[in-house]
Amino acid sequence: SQQGEEDPQALSIQEGENATMNCSYKTSINNLQWYRQNSGRGLVHLILIRSNEREKHSGRLRVTLDTSKKSSSLLITASRAADTASYFCATVHSGYALNFGKGTSLLVTP
Amino acid sequence: EAEVAQSPRYKITEKSQAVAFWCDPISGHATLYWYRQILGQGPELLVQFQDESVVDDSQLPKDRFSAERLKGVDSTLKIQPAELGDSAMYLCASSFGTYNEQFFGPGTRLTVL
Repeated sequence: SQQGEEDPQALSIQEGENATMNCSYKTSINNLQWYRQNSGRGLVHLILIRSNEREKHSGRLRVTLDTSKKSSSLLITASRAADTASYFCATVHSGYALNFGKGTSLLVTP
Repeated sequence: EAEVAQSPRYKITEKSQAVAFWCDPISGHATLYWYRQILGQGPELLVQFQDESVVDDSQLPKDRFSAERLKGVDSTLKIQPAELGDSAMYLCASSFGTYNEQFFGPGTRLTVL
């Protein structure tokens, strides 16, 4: 069953703008991960944040985690057309595999 | 750079036929996963292996799906017989362990006619 729920379902912005996606989940977690999927392709891991971490950066990506609210956000700064993709959050708990949400579809127009 | 290999990339079959998908994980990755992804949704776990043992197959429709990882390296997922509702992308992933990042293959797009 899918645990993570991303919001919004779809997001359209222009190049250079920031994109923010949110993820909510239901149960306690060990860590939360964000993945990107280009159309018809496999998923690519972006960033992993552990339950005892609150914020993490990787290049133009910034992820926050609020375990009290069971939510996370992914910020992509200075978006590029190449960032157009679907973004998924996924949670890990009790040693079991990732539970993915339905994803946010991001469109970045030139 | 090491990658997860999957074959075939595309498969078209008629309902009631048997299909099989193959996955070769990144060398040294003990954990292997098979996911099914329906268009517009996130991947859903079908089966998880730790070496050659099944850790979780609670979402695998066992009346028609089977998976094996005999030597703890590559893996095969089989559907017999295929049904129209099985049309989806089948993704294989591997990782060092269940708490680590997962590396995904390109997937097999299955169409059942």
